[in-house]
Amino acid sequence: DIQMTQSPSTLSASVGDRVTITCRASQSIDSRLAWYQQKPGKVPKLLIYKASTLESGVPSRFSGGGSGTEFTLTISSLQPDDFATYYCQHCNNYWTFGQGTKVEIK
Amino acid sequence: QVRLVESGGDVVQPGRSLRLSCAASGFSLISYAINWVRQAPGKGLEWVAFISSDGSNEFYIDSVKGRFTISRDKSKNTLYLQMNSLRSEDTAVYYCAREGHGTKINSLDIWGQGTMVAVSP
Repeated sequence: DIQMTQSPSTLSASVGDRVTITCRASQSIDSRLAWYQQKPGKVPKLLIYKASTLESGVPSRFSGGGSGTEFTLTISSLQPDDFATYYCQHCNNYWTFGQGTKVEIK
Repeated sequence: QVRLVESGGDVVQPGRSLRLSCAASGFSLISYAINWVRQAPGKGLEWVAFISSDGSNEFYIDSVKGRFTISRDKSKNTLYLQMNSLRSEDTAVYYCAREGHGTKINSLDIWGQGTMVAVSP
């Protein structure tokens, strides 16, 4: 099975900061990677699919990159609404999520 | 409006059974693959089960194989997750989520609001 490892587990940042979350796959997954945002008590929301394609309605400050085994989610200028937990996810018959990265206020 | 609505969550004793429902509106379940994803209290997301759009393929995480089964009622546009021999580690919020089409394949673009399952003596 392919394992997905996110880093860091927690990220402390301030409004306006540029933040980057990394997701590593245990073997190459081409561009079959998605990113989700989840706020406490809320439903996960799709942000990015196919590694770098922004879901409709998601602000352009979010971007995704990478291919193969290393992927990134970048928020160019952190906004108050962005403090949340972010998950990467891969599918290869079996679906696998990263363990999550909590973005908290510094 | 495209929606998924789960129901059926409850507090049950270990070893008992429960059936969750996932009702779709605004689209046809037979046109999309659907997944169940769960989240234990204070933990991350864990994929549980998958059914393909035509119903010909089902996949399950190892920890639920032989205990959980997905089924569909096309006339009601509803998906079910039958959960048998429940264990304390099955305690979680259960979401059903739709796999996207085209370039969104392999991602989950529509999620239900979730239903809570608590397994406790």
